[in-house]
Amino acid sequence: GAGVSQSPRYKVAKRGQDVALRCDPISGHVSLFWYQQALGQGPEFLTYFQNEAQLDKSGLPSDRFFAERPEGSVSTLKIQRTQQEDSAVYLCASSLARRFNQPQHFGDGTRLSIL
Amino acid sequence: TQLLEQSPQFLSIQEGENLTVYCNSSSVFSSLQWYRQEPGEGPVLLVTVVTGGEVKKLKRLTFQFGDARKDSSLHITAAQPGDTGLYLCAGASAGGTSYGKLTFGQGTILTVHP
Repeated sequence: GAGVSQSPRYKVAKRGQDVALRCDPISGHVSLFWYQQALGQGPEFLTYFQNEAQLDKSGLPSDRFFAERPEGSVSTLKIQRTQQEDSAVYLCASSLARRFNQPQHFGDGTRLSIL
Repeated sequence: TQLLEQSPQFLSIQEGENLTVYCNSSSVFSSLQWYRQEPGEGPVLLVTVVTGGEVKKLKRLTFQFGDARKDSSLHITAAQPGDTGLYLCAGASAGGTSYGKLTFGQGTILTVHP
């Protein structure tokens, strides 16, 4: 497709369950970012990949959060033993190159609700 | 830690009015980007400003980057109901391992009433 695709769009899980969120970036985009957005707030950085290398995971809130991009394209964000405070919209963004003024193209996000 | 303070948080105006949204930081950013986000969608880039003092215009929207590259503003002239949405400023960091990592402000929810 032409844009960043995220799936599922909505995910409801019970507290304690593991979830996996998928991101298909724009083909050929080197950089991939994950952000977490609480309701009515701006997104917050979680982690960054350059191709398959995870160069920055400083925004991951705990060791229950894990992200991978094994072949440098599709990325998965996994949350283990989910808690209610994990409820948020998870956004994925990709950009063509690793430059500070390169536009980031966002997907429509996965809305995660933990019951 | 780099922080961006965005104000106001909420703005409710009548069609035809002008408005300004501010984005301030104590940190210097390599560039500053403005996004607009609709409910249920991801942010969409409106503009990127890179040079201190830079002014960019996009139809009725005017974006300015402060001389010291720490602050920015978005001015909308003659607002229309179609301008309703969440406006986000985001600073891009350079260097280190997160080249291009964005730090977002809290957002401004704009409602334009017909």
